[in-house]
Amino acid sequence: LAKTTQPISMDSYEGQEVNITCSHNNIATNDYITWYQQFPSQGPRFIIQGYKTKVTNEVASLFIPADRKSSTLSLPRVSLSDTAVYYCLVGDLFYSSASKIIFGSGTRLSIRP
Amino acid sequence: NAGVTQTPKFQVLKTGQSMTLQCAQDMNHEYMSWYRQDPGMGLRLIHYSVGAGITDQGEVPNGYNVSRSTTEDFPLRLLSAAPSQTSVYFCASRRDSTYEQYFGPGTRLTVT
Repeated sequence: LAKTTQPISMDSYEGQEVNITCSHNNIATNDYITWYQQFPSQGPRFIIQGYKTKVTNEVASLFIPADRKSSTLSLPRVSLSDTAVYYCLVGDLFYSSASKIIFGSGTRLSIRP
Repeated sequence: NAGVTQTPKFQVLKTGQSMTLQCAQDMNHEYMSWYRQDPGMGLRLIHYSVGAGITDQGEVPNGYNVSRSTTEDFPLRLLSAAPSQTSVYFCASRRDSTYEQYFGPGTRLTVT
């Protein structure tokens, strides 16, 4: 599994767009990029997954440049309820190594009024 | 669908006691995993299973046993509880070929 590096923490304000970048320099050809969100006292929740370019759903967008050595989770117009820890994961879905899903330390996002 | 359920929600053990944390899912997922999360830390993988009868170790397996006799159930057994095992334990499940895991509500365990 490719190692990932994220900022430990970020602060922003309600109504702003927040971008959290994850570095994964050793990403392999078959690796996908996945982001999770975790609120206090709850299990993580899947947000979005992508392979290249841009993926968008009702919650977030995921931007992946052509070299795929990094990815950016974009949260549009955040609110106080977006205060959470965000985890970036990278791994191959189709081989036995994919059976292990390892979480890093994540990015602690704090949204202020 | 109940999703992933865990019991109990809270548990206090004395050092040396054993117990089993229960996890069940009703989504017919092949993959199930157990994680622990210490205060202010990320999740660490304890054990995982890729199907009934197949289990393997994660990052921090010592002191824990698992079994997977059915697709639905994946219990985690603490053999001899130690204060270092005080943590919140999460069970998760997913289908093959996806990283979209579904997590249970967690079990908060305190070992005194």
